[in-house]
Amino acid sequence: KNEVEQSPQNLTAQEGEFITINCSYSVGISALHWLQQHPGGGIVSLFMLSSGKKKHGRLIATINIQEKHSSLHITASHPRDSAVYICAVTGNTPLVFGKGTRLSVIA
Amino acid sequence: EPEVTQTPSHQVTQMGQEVILRCVPISNHLYFYWYRQILGQKVEFLVSFYNNEISEKSEIFDDQFSVERPDGSNFTLKIRSTKLEDSAMYFCASSTGQGNTIYFGEGSWLTVV
Repeated sequence: KNEVEQSPQNLTAQEGEFITINCSYSVGISALHWLQQHPGGGIVSLFMLSSGKKKHGRLIATINIQEKHSSLHITASHPRDSAVYICAVTGNTPLVFGKGTRLSVIA
Repeated sequence: EPEVTQTPSHQVTQMGQEVILRCVPISNHLYFYWYRQILGQKVEFLVSFYNNEISEKSEIFDDQFSVERPDGSNFTLKIRSTKLEDSAMYFCASSTGQGNTIYFGEGSWLTVV
């Protein structure tokens, strides 16, 4: 079974800072998802990637398949980015989730 | 933008009672899922559903749980006899295919007392 580890667990940043959240997994996968969980609990899918890099607005996700590692970057962070960011992986099996990284961005 | 909708958003139930959580997946999606998240813990897979049958289920999804797609739009999770440890946020999700982006609902908070 895949083990998904995220770091850091908690992160506090000043508005405008560049943020990096890391995810590593133990077994080869077919896809990795980055999800955002709002303070109210709802989950939004940010990215799904199986190789390389994807960008959407101020968010960038990268994955290194050989290293079994992915990063989520937020440029010019804003208080509205405050949320829990969750990494989840699949190898044509049900999603296995990490514990999440709680991000707080302070104005 | 199309979205997955879930009802109720919150439910409090007595231990031993049956609960039905309802979901309306995105209309052209073919794969449906239920996940749960116990407070303070990570999200866990419960069950996936495709072509009117369960395609995969986790060890959590025991005989107390069942899923149904009673009509062309709803997807339900039933817990037959709730236990205290069933208290969690339950998320419904859907996708167009395996390996595609999964769209989550806002979740249903279930509290068993």
